[in-house]
Amino acid sequence: AQTVTQSQPEMSVQEAETVTLSCTYDTSESDYYLFWYKQPPSRQMILVIRQEAYKQQNATENRFSVNFQKAAKSFSLKISDSQLGDAAMYFCAYRSASEGTYKYIFGTGTRLKVLA
Amino acid sequence: DTEVTQTPKHLVMGMTNKKSLKCEQHMGHRAMYWYKQKAKKPPELMFVYSYEKLSINESVPSRFSPECPNSSLLNLHLHALQPEDSALYLCASSQVRITNEKLFFGSGTQLSVL
Repeated sequence: AQTVTQSQPEMSVQEAETVTLSCTYDTSESDYYLFWYKQPPSRQMILVIRQEAYKQQNATENRFSVNFQKAAKSFSLKISDSQLGDAAMYFCAYRSASEGTYKYIFGTGTRLKVLA
Repeated sequence: DTEVTQTPKHLVMGMTNKKSLKCEQHMGHRAMYWYKQKAKKPPELMFVYSYEKLSINESVPSRFSPECPNSSLLNLHLHALQPEDSALYLCASSQVRITNEKLFFGSGTQLSVL
């Protein structure tokens, strides 16, 4: 069975600084997808970034980038130039690439505080 | 339209009540999901519909009854709930094809069972 671990329950970052959130996962599959979702106080889950396991290139979306280390089963999220609006709960998630598999495995989340 | 709309946003119900949660999307997604989320916890999958057919039921108690009347609508019927069922209920949708698939979430229904 696949598992996703987020070892940092809470992180703080100064506005305009950079912060990295950690995520590790365990799987015996070779093809899968990894995601970072953000859940602000409004509680709507928003996709931040998505990574295909077969791609060696790390995904980036504006100020958000990932460090994907497939062999180490590590998938960290880097937020550059942090903004007050980045304050939220961040969930790392895994999804098998097998067709017809709809289960997302979520980590326990990291609460990010942004200090003005 | 890239939205998943959930109604109501808040719901308070007694243990003998019957109520329904509604979810709607117009993105042409043929997979729709119900998640339950307790405070400070990750979402837990309850049900998945694919092409309007129930694909996954994560051993959810029968007091929760899902329904997918068409490709845009997903309902969750609630009956004889327990106080421990109080939680945020999130609906999500996605494409069925795995390529470029990702979950789009609604803003949830905050349910309180008294």
